[in-house]
Amino acid sequence: DVKVTQSSRYLVKRTGEKVFLECVQDMDHENMFWYRQDPGLGLRLIYFSYDVKMKEKGDIPEGYSVSREKKERFSLILESASTNQTSMYLCASSTDGFYQPQHFGDGTRLSIL
Amino acid sequence: GNSVTQMEGPVTLSEEAFLTINCTYTATGYPSLFWYVQYPGEGLQLLLKATKADDKGSNKGFEATYRKETTSFHLEKGSVQVSDSAVYFCALSNSGGYQKVTFGTGTKLQVIP
Repeated sequence: DVKVTQSSRYLVKRTGEKVFLECVQDMDHENMFWYRQDPGLGLRLIYFSYDVKMKEKGDIPEGYSVSREKKERFSLILESASTNQTSMYLCASSTDGFYQPQHFGDGTRLSIL
Repeated sequence: GNSVTQMEGPVTLSEEAFLTINCTYTATGYPSLFWYVQYPGEGLQLLLKATKADDKGSNKGFEATYRKETTSFHLEKGSVQVSDSAVYFCALSNSGGYQKVTFGTGTKLQVIP
């Protein structure tokens, strides 16, 4: 089975901190995604990556950046955390030729105080 | 732009009842349609998909038929179990290369014994 692993289930940080969310997948998938999930808003795409060192902005990239130095790892970075970035963050992956997310991690619930 | 509308939840059913979760969409062209499921405490999983009109996606006893004339993709199951309790997300994406997935806001299903 494909496994998408997010480094933390719960994370609490302070306003202004630089925050790193890590995601690793073990099935050699080309495509990886970062979403945030908020009540009443569903899932919104932050960034996705279709290859190592390649990235594309999603719907809400402001305040975020990403890094994909290795195929299996996709990191989301909050450059200077703000309270409106308190949310559930979901990482996902999919195989080459399948451009929609197939497998999600369990999520990181991030609170910015 | 694309949008997905799901019925409001929560939906509460007794075990072995028939399930319908309504989903309608607005999109240009001929999108692919998806249902994802999120079990408590877990990330989303792709449940089923349909890529063209009149296609029926099915998995784990769930079915959904792509109805272009009514722009709908309702999720059905003949006999639900307690283990089906989860949040269900309808989604769509346009075809051709990478196309962003648009998610609905999710419908929570609770099945009681």
